Amino acid sequence: QKEVEQDPGPLSVPEGAIVSLNCTYSNSAFQYFMWYRQYSRKGPELLMYTYSSGNKEDGRFTAQVDKSSKYISLFIRDSQPSDSATYLCAMSADYGGATNKLIFGTGTLLAVQP
Amino acid sequence: GAGVSQTPSNKVTEKGKYVELRCDPISGHTALYWYRQSLGQGPEFLIYFQGTGAADDSGLPNDRFFAVRPEGSVSTLKIQRTERGDSAVYLCASSLRTGGFDEQFFGPGTRLTVL
Repeated sequence: QKEVEQDPGPLSVPEGAIVSLNCTYSNSAFQYFMWYRQYSRKGPELLMYTYSSGNKEDGRFTAQVDKSSKYISLFIRDSQPSDSATYLCAMSADYGGATNKLIFGTGTLLAVQP
Repeated sequence: GAGVSQTPSNKVTEKGKYVELRCDPISGHTALYWYRQSLGQGPEFLIYFQGTGAADDSGLPNDRFFAVRPEGSVSTLKIQRTERGDSAVYLCASSLRTGGFDEQFFGPGTRLTVL
């Protein structure tokens, strides 16, 4: 069983929809929870991170972490065609305040239809 | 400023050959990471350098894979006796290590194809 599980999709939504992306994990040592966006033939870029449990909001994006359920989510409000990409969750233990190696999910391919 | 750069962007080789993949991190970043991303999968950790030394090489799949960072900046990932299963995108990332959350900035990757 993988340490991080993520539904690969693809997920297709109409423009303006609310998108919900999720990951589950098994390693209780994970403390940093990240969402990366990856466009085709590009490297991943960080969207948001959360330390331990809780919610974090940044514009149209909201990240949630529920450590008791080992479940994390990313919500995208008012989705735009430019949001079409692969969304990767990533996690790390706390190495004295740093992340060191990241453990990624499979990635969910999102298509926002105009 | 310039981001992480990787060369070559594409590499096609034959089974059994030796390849070198290069990573130029963001200037001043002391930490450097290599990941491998197979088709339809998320990146998989290979090795992490802090300065010149490999702080964690637990992700290297076998002894055909080796990486160096001799001057604490540029890194080279070396793969000996390549196999078809080595075909993947090899991603490099770097980070600043100032304390607190340590964002890893990724390069565009080198797409390796082993025929």
